[in-house]
Amino acid sequence: GAGVSQSPSNKVTEKGKDVELRCDPISGHTALYWYRQRLGQGLEFLIYFQGNSAPDKSGLPSDRFSAERTGESVSTLTIQRTQQEDSAVYLCASSLVRSEAFFGQGTRLTVV
Amino acid sequence: QQQVKQSPQSLIVQKGGIPIINCAYENTAFDYFPWYQQFPGKGPALLIAIRPDVSEKKEGRFTISFNKSAKQFSLHIMDSQPGDSATYFCAASITSGTYKYIFGTGTRLKVLA
Repeated sequence: GAGVSQSPSNKVTEKGKDVELRCDPISGHTALYWYRQRLGQGLEFLIYFQGNSAPDKSGLPSDRFSAERTGESVSTLTIQRTQQEDSAVYLCASSLVRSEAFFGQGTRLTVV
Repeated sequence: QQQVKQSPQSLIVQKGGIPIINCAYENTAFDYFPWYQQFPGKGPALLIAIRPDVSEKKEGRFTISFNKSAKQFSLHIMDSQPGDSATYFCAASITSGTYKYIFGTGTRLKVLA
């Protein structure tokens, strides 16, 4: 596609439910990133995929968070047993190695 | 050592003014320093980037100044316009390997008409 696509754009879920967020990177981009952005705050790194290397999961805040990526294509970020503090915009970005990162529009998650 | 410290947190300038946003880092292995611009409801978009082999880079009204010895870099917006009102993030990365971007905490800029 022309850019990084994220779905859904908005998600409202009840506390305790699981949610799945999807990211379609730019075709050919080997690197894929997930960031979390709380209201009015900066970008908090969550996880990074690069080709077939083991992902860098050092930013995942708890074991309720997990992410997968199939090859160099789609990635899903799963949050289990959602809590209110998980409410944020979840941003996905992709890049070629040694190149700029392109961001999607984000998924706004609201846990009620 | 993985942090990028950004200041100020917010900034208000008059139209035509020159807002300056500063970032500092510790990891000397960083070799790519982009600035991203984010409008409300949108994802961040690359504005301008610099590598440490140059001290300044200009693209239109946007200039990055880089001080390698001080491990600092800054964004200057010349002749700022109300349309520049956005949140600006600096970032750092190591491009020689497979390395994630580390972002600053962001600066919310408002340019008054």
